[in-house]
This record gives sequence, C-alpha cells and structure tokens, in this order.
Amino acid sequence: GAVVSQHPSWVICKSGTSVKIECRSLDFQATTMFWYRQFPKQSLMLMATSNEGSKATYEQGVEKDKFLINHASLTLSTLTVTSAHPEDSSFYICSAREPTGDSGNTIYFGEGSWLTVV
Amino acid sequence: LAKTTQPISMDSYEGQEVNITCSHNNIATNDYITWYQQFPSQGPRFIIQGYKTKVTNEVASLFIPADRKSSTLSLPRVSLSDTAVYYCLVGPSNQAGTALIFGKGTTLSVSS
Repeated sequence: GAVVSQHPSWVICKSGTSVKIECRSLDFQATTMFWYRQFPKQSLMLMATSNEGSKATYEQGVEKDKFLINHASLTLSTLTVTSAHPEDSSFYICSAREPTGDSGNTIYFGEGSWLTVV
Repeated sequence: LAKTTQPISMDSYEGQEVNITCSHNNIATNDYITWYQQFPSQGPRFIIQGYKTKVTNEVASLFIPADRKSSTLSLPRVSLSDTAVYYCLVGPSNQAGTALIFGKGTTLSVSS
C-alpha cells in the first residue's frame, strides 16, 4: 500500500521553542493531508486538514496560530508547534488520501511523531 | 460523518477467530467502511475496506449486510501480535478533503 512518512519520530524541545514535524507521501501525490493528535490511551483527534497551495482548515478548538500547517507541495505537509508548552506534548500523526481515480480510495497514516516539551 | 459504535474491548486466545462488529446506523450512500489497526506509539495501519457484501484480503475479511448499518471485521487465527486497537470508520471515499473521524476503537487482547 501507499506509504506516508513522518519525521522526526520523536522530538524533545524546551518550553517556548518551536518544533516542526514533516509528513511526506512517498509514492503518490496528496492534495490533502490530515493532522491528528493522540494522547495516551485515547483515540485520534483530528486537528486540521492541510490543503496543497492554500490555507489549512482547523477543527474547532485548535489554535491555528499555535499549530502552523504548511502544504507547499503535493508530497509534503508540515506541522509547526509554536511556542511549545508541556501540555502540547503528545503523539502527532498525519495521514494522506491516495487518489485512485475511482471510488474507494484509501487514507494512509504516517508512523507518528512523539513530541515532548520540557 | 456517520458515527460508529464498537465494543470497547475484546479478549481472545491464540489460534481463535475474532469477529469485531461495528454499528453505523447513519451510514450514507457514498460512505465506505474502513478498518484500521493501531499498535502503541504507531500510526494506524490500513486493514481492509469495503462498501457492501464481503471483502477478503490476506489478513482479514469484512462482512457487510445488505442494509450496511453494521459491519464485522473477521481476523482468522489470531496471534499475540494481533493485540492492538482496531478502529472502524465510515466516510465518503471519493471526497479528497474529507478526513476520517475516529471513535474509541476496540482494544483486542490476545493471550496464549
């Protein structure tokens, strides 16, 4: 199946700094990518929809100025956590829809990125 | 997007067949049913997707009745490595901008 890759797999940063997480679709072009966050023993929560060449669409309650999303190419979306605080520590997961040209295309997920803010 | 309901947890033993049923009473005509598996600290992994009747691949089968208001993921002869959280999701597959909304999932525990 299609591969979606995230980098880094884990990162530790100091409070007040910013950290960038990359999401790449390795063998297909993705006009739309999605970002989720997941706290331990909880389900995935959709944060935003990343649209290539345009602004991201954020879910209610997600601060767009804190979680900056850039989708500059058809294979790369980035999530930047700005002025990180310990409560931003979480598992961040991206996903992308593989277009197959027919109905029934599939969303694939990256490996996830652990962010720890100290 | 259609809301799904799954059992919170299930227990099984190695070698048994496991069936996880998901209810999605409000599924729309253009919605597909997709199941994902997630291990701790990993992103969800696609298992199987279907629209109606039965779909089978190398790892699982998906049974969907005619009214499509539910679906059953069948895992044949589970092993310890199948211990994971399984998510049932429904959504329109032909709309690129539509994300998948996750429910709580089913935690499957396989024992020896």
